[in-house]
Amino acid sequence: GAVVSQHPSWVICKSGTSVKIECRSLDFQATTMFWYRQFPKQSLMLMATSNEGSKATYEQGVEKDKFLINHASLTLSTLTVTSAHPEDSSFYICSAEQGPRNQPQHFGDGTRLSIL
Amino acid sequence: QKEVEQNSGPLSVPEGAIASLNCTYSDRGSQSFFWYRQYSGKSPELIMFIYSNGDKEDGRFTAQLNKASQYVSLLIRDSQPSDSATYLCAVNKWSTGFQKLVFGTGTRLLVSP
Repeated sequence: GAVVSQHPSWVICKSGTSVKIECRSLDFQATTMFWYRQFPKQSLMLMATSNEGSKATYEQGVEKDKFLINHASLTLSTLTVTSAHPEDSSFYICSAEQGPRNQPQHFGDGTRLSIL
Repeated sequence: QKEVEQNSGPLSVPEGAIASLNCTYSDRGSQSFFWYRQYSGKSPELIMFIYSNGDKEDGRFTAQLNKASQYVSLLIRDSQPSDSATYLCAVNKWSTGFQKLVFGTGTRLLVSP
């Protein structure tokens, strides 16, 4: 149980392109999903918290107009990197919280984004 | 002071030995503690979680929590080369109505055959 699917797993695109990443909880409903970014040899950095039916909460320093998050249902959240540039190249990982308070987060397989 | 601190390693142990991974945290209000394993180029995988002081065992893994010392550890018994990975300690933090996880930078474990 607690499977989180993330798609696509790998994206290479030109600078200026917008890229959409999907995160789905396959066997449970996730009121809250999280988006992380991880640069090489660094730990996970939380970008934003996505709540179903409401606006995402962004961490300090994360541009909400550049990283658009939509959480339209209890099983799907999307992250759109708008007008991507080479410095946005990173490993983007979503997670979903399995239940109410203090429950573990389960991670998707991640999306490796390379902007040329 | 970092919110969650881990020794970056690498921690090298021979196959069959016990690997001990340590983590300290700064927020005394934290209630939930998680250990994730991350292989190179992959996303984190949940190994253990613990909420109460003491030990929690699951197969070869034991999580230990000492809230008074703000310390959480992960023991891996009978270490295998396949256990070689980066182990991330994560602690919950409440922020404006929802919970989020704060991760340490991870400890790299190398198990040699």
